[in-house]
Order: sequence, then C-alpha cells, then structure tokens
Amino acid sequence: KAGVTQTPRYLIKTRGQQVTLSCSPISGHRSVSWYQQTPGQGLQFLFEYFSETQRNKGNFPGRFSGRQFSNSRSEMNVSTLELGDSALYLCASSWSGAPNTEAFFGQGTRLTVV
Amino acid sequence: KQEVTQIPAALSVPEGENLVLNCSFTDSAIYNLQWFRQDPGKGLTSLLLIQSSQREQTSGRLNASLDKSSGRSTLYIAASQPGDSATYLCAVADFTGTASKLTFGTGTRLQVTL
Repeated sequence: KAGVTQTPRYLIKTRGQQVTLSCSPISGHRSVSWYQQTPGQGLQFLFEYFSETQRNKGNFPGRFSGRQFSNSRSEMNVSTLELGDSALYLCASSWSGAPNTEAFFGQGTRLTVV
Repeated sequence: KQEVTQIPAALSVPEGENLVLNCSFTDSAIYNLQWFRQDPGKGLTSLLLIQSSQREQTSGRLNASLDKSSGRSTLYIAASQPGDSATYLCAVADFTGTASKLTFGTGTRLQVTL
C-alpha cells in the first residue's frame, strides 16, 4: 500500500515568487492536513481539507492557501514568497480526519527561498 | 491554547540501554496522542497512537503510556540500538470545530552510540 507522496522533494525559489506543492494521500484517505516545520517554530498546523472543503486553518497569513481535488489529492500554494517561508512542508493523510484516527505523514517538500 | 513540551531536548545513550522520553501537554481535553520518529531531513514515521481512553500501547521494543488527567505521556524504548537514533516527536489531537489538528512538541533528539 503506497504511503503519502509529496512532490517535489526539493524546491529553490526567489523572494516574491509563488510556489505550489502537491500531496497525494494514502488510497482511501479523505483528509489531508498540511504542516510547516522550521528549526525555530517546530511543526505548525497550516490547514486541513476533507472532501474538497477546508475544515480548519492555522494561524498563517493569507499568502498560504490550499485546495483538495475530488480524488483527495491536495495542493498548497504560497504566494509572494518571503525568506521566512523556507521550511520543510509536510502533509498528513488520515481516513476521516476524525480526532481518533491516525495521521500518516509524507516525506515532505524542502522549500528554500533565496 | 494547547502547549506540548518534551523533555529532554537531547539524549545520548550507549547501545543496549533502556530509556524514557517524556511528553507533557497543558490541556487534558485531547482525543489521542501520537508518537512519531523523524530522521534528519525526512518526514514523520508514526510509531504509536494512544486513544484518550487507553493507558498504554506497545509495538515491539516501544511502549507508550498516557495519563490524560496529569497531561503526561512517556515513550519507553527497550534495549536501544544505533538505528533508533532520530528525533522523537509527540503530538496531541485537539478537536476544534469539525476537524482535528495535531499540536506537536519540540522533540527529543536521541543518539544511541556503539
């Protein structure tokens, strides 16, 4: 059974550009969550999608957005990149997103903003 | 606001030693707690999931306990091996609105030496 797949694995972008990251959840999983990991702030919740609807959002500026497609694949977009957006972006999938279900993470996308 | 703390921040032990990693959280109204392992630059691997109604979970050499009332969890690793070297993260599931999100601790970086 394939795990959570994130593409690309590495990205280098210039300040002011925008970027789109992709996440394919485990087959059958309908909930996808996104997290940002930095050395200073640790892992922070960005948002969660379930059945193409954003159900929850963390405390990030509007430059961070996402969407989910009918096949549960999700994309995250960051516009007007800043140096501080450099981080490991992780996505997690779970069967329903209900509080008692286990979350499985992908390998992450390492974004470097120069 | 839920806060999760992990002690110690770093730990170095010789191979074969049994060890305990600690996780504490401020709001006991959680649905579950998950322990993850993260290798450098990689994603998160789920180790154990403990539901709020459970006291402990075991998987191989790993045993995790949960005391929800005191806001504490411990991860016990028996007979440590060099391959156990990684960062260990605990995360609690809060139910906010109609979705769940994980709040992570800052992790314990473990090194097992020969």
